[in-house]
Amino acid sequence: EDQVTQSPEALRLQEGESSSLNCSYTVSGLRGLFWYRQDPGKGPEFLFTLYSAGEEKEKERLKATLTKKESFLHITAPKPEDSATYLCAVQAGGQNFVFGPGTRLSVLP
Amino acid sequence: SQTIHQWPATLVQPVGSPLSLECTVEGTSNPNLYWYRQAAGRGLQLLFYSVGIGQISSEVPQNLSASRPQDRQFILSSKKLLLSDSGFYLCAWTIGRNQPQHFGDGTRLSIL
Repeated sequence: EDQVTQSPEALRLQEGESSSLNCSYTVSGLRGLFWYRQDPGKGPEFLFTLYSAGEEKEKERLKATLTKKESFLHITAPKPEDSATYLCAVQAGGQNFVFGPGTRLSVLP
Repeated sequence: SQTIHQWPATLVQPVGSPLSLECTVEGTSNPNLYWYRQAAGRGLQLLFYSVGIGQISSEVPQNLSASRPQDRQFILSSKKLLLSDSGFYLCAWTIGRNQPQHFGDGTRLSIL
């Protein structure tokens, strides 16, 4: 059965304090790994797609990396506006996506 | 560009009442469409997905149903709501293989 876990469950950072979020997955035949940002009361907003081990993507203060078992979302010098829940999802066979429970990030000024 | 609309944004319904949530996508053709439910502080639970008009796959047995009467319209329904149906309902679309999903802003459903 395809599974996705994320850690930590919640993370509090001071503004400018860099850190990483982890997404571990167990799938048979990864077709894509996706990172989303979700603000309270809103739908998830797409950030990155990673397809193969060793791949990296960057956007502003965020950088996503992928290995054969996990993905990291690195946040460099975060700002309070980066506070959100970050979701990871994988797509294996078929049309379905499996989501992790998310990491709730708070960046304090 | 593609956009996705969900309505209503919030809904309060009594137990036993019917439900109809609507989702429409603009700017694309033949998308795959999805309904998810998200409980507070938890991940997304896939409820239904559709790869075409009239084609619905159900992932979780429950008192909800879905229909796709038009290419870019996806409807979530129930004949009689239960307290356990409360939650945040999200519609999403994707197109092409191995492409990300894109989500609407969701419907917050409260059952009294």
